[in-house]
Amino acid sequence: SQTIHQWPATLVQPVGSPLSLECTVEGTSNPNLYWYRQAAGRGLQLLFYSVGIGQISSEVPQNLSASRPQDRQFILSSKKLLLSDSGFYLCAWSVLVTQGFFYGYTFGSGTRLTVV
Amino acid sequence: GIQVEQSPPDLILQEGANSTLRCNFSDSVNNLQWFHQNPWGQLINLFYIPSGTKQNGRLSATTVATERYSLLYISSSQTTDSGVYFCAVGSTDSWGKLQFGAGTQVVVTP
Repeated sequence: SQTIHQWPATLVQPVGSPLSLECTVEGTSNPNLYWYRQAAGRGLQLLFYSVGIGQISSEVPQNLSASRPQDRQFILSSKKLLLSDSGFYLCAWSVLVTQGFFYGYTFGSGTRLTVV
Repeated sequence: GIQVEQSPPDLILQEGANSTLRCNFSDSVNNLQWFHQNPWGQLINLFYIPSGTKQNGRLSATTVATERYSLLYISSSQTTDSGVYFCAVGSTDSWGKLQFGAGTQVVVTP
């Protein structure tokens, strides 16, 4: 079965420090991978998505970057955190079945980041 | 981009009650999903329903694609149904990206 792992679960980081959040998927090949952020309140905002190794698309210009060094690994990074980077970060995957139709769409358990 | 509006924003139910959550979207979609976020933040996929009707236990969903809305029905609500319900949509050329609505916060009281 397909599973998605995301860590750490919670993180408190000082302003100006670097960030690295990791997400790995098991049980599927060539997934589409996504990073979403949920700020205080409820909405989820797509930050990055990737359709293959080394292929990253950014949805929102910001202080963050993403990388996909392996097929089932997706990393969210920052060189210097800002207070506004605080939030709940969620990784997700989906697999293209046929053009326009996507199987699954499963979220990881999330990382709650507080920048102080 | 596609606009997604959910209503109501908040809903308080007594255990055993039925409810309907609505999702309106501004353009044609081929991907519509309903999610439940529990109080610990975990998002669970409830339905993939770009059109038609599906049922899963006490939950069911209907999407009328031509009229650009979807409904999520909760019957005989239980306290475990509490949380935020999100509707999310995507289009053919969106690589699976989803545009989320703001959600409906549901509180089920004993």
